[in-house]
Amino acid sequence: NAGVTQTPKFQVLKTGQSMTLQCAQDMNHNSMYWYRQDPGMGLRLIYYSASEGTTDKGEVPNGYNVSRLNKREFSLRLESAAPSQTSVYFCASSEGTWGSNQPQHFGDGTRLSIL
Amino acid sequence: GQQVMQIPQYQHVQEGEDFTTYCNSSTTLSNIQWYKQRPGGHPVFLIQLVKSGEVKKQKRLTFQFGEAKKNSSLHITATQTTDVGTYFCAGPHNAGNMLTFGGGTRLMVKP
Repeated sequence: NAGVTQTPKFQVLKTGQSMTLQCAQDMNHNSMYWYRQDPGMGLRLIYYSASEGTTDKGEVPNGYNVSRLNKREFSLRLESAAPSQTSVYFCASSEGTWGSNQPQHFGDGTRLSIL
Repeated sequence: GQQVMQIPQYQHVQEGEDFTTYCNSSTTLSNIQWYKQRPGGHPVFLIQLVKSGEVKKQKRLTFQFGEAKKNSSLHITATQTTDVGTYFCAGPHNAGNMLTFGGGTRLMVKP
């Protein structure tokens, strides 16, 4: 089983460029999440989706948009990239629609640099 | 807002020594989860604690949930180089259906 698959693994952008990070899970999970991880900051939630067709803001949503395309796929879009968005981005999923009490399964991450 | 704090931020130990990381929440938690992230890797779920005072063991790892359900600890006995990584605790956010992660404790083991 692939679990949670993220593409691309690495990306370098120029300030102002746009980009979509892709995430797909094959575990038939209902909830999906996007986090960013910066040195010394732990994991911070950007957006999440508790079920197909719904999305909600997390702690740090500004500058991002998301789409829950179907049950498997949850994409993260940077419309106009800024250097402050340089980070490692992780997608995760969990089984139920109430994700705060269930284990989350993470993808390998996308390392994004914005110049 | 809710905060989940972990201490220490870093810990160097000699192989064979014990290690403990502590997690404290500003609010009562319905459950707490622990994750491990190897260098260059992604977080991997280790365990979930639900009951007040609960203690769970996984080989050399012992996890505890405080009586007041506001703190937790992870203790590793006789560390090995394979234990290297960052350990995160995470608890439900009081504003909704999401987890709040602590800042993590990075464990380094000298062989």
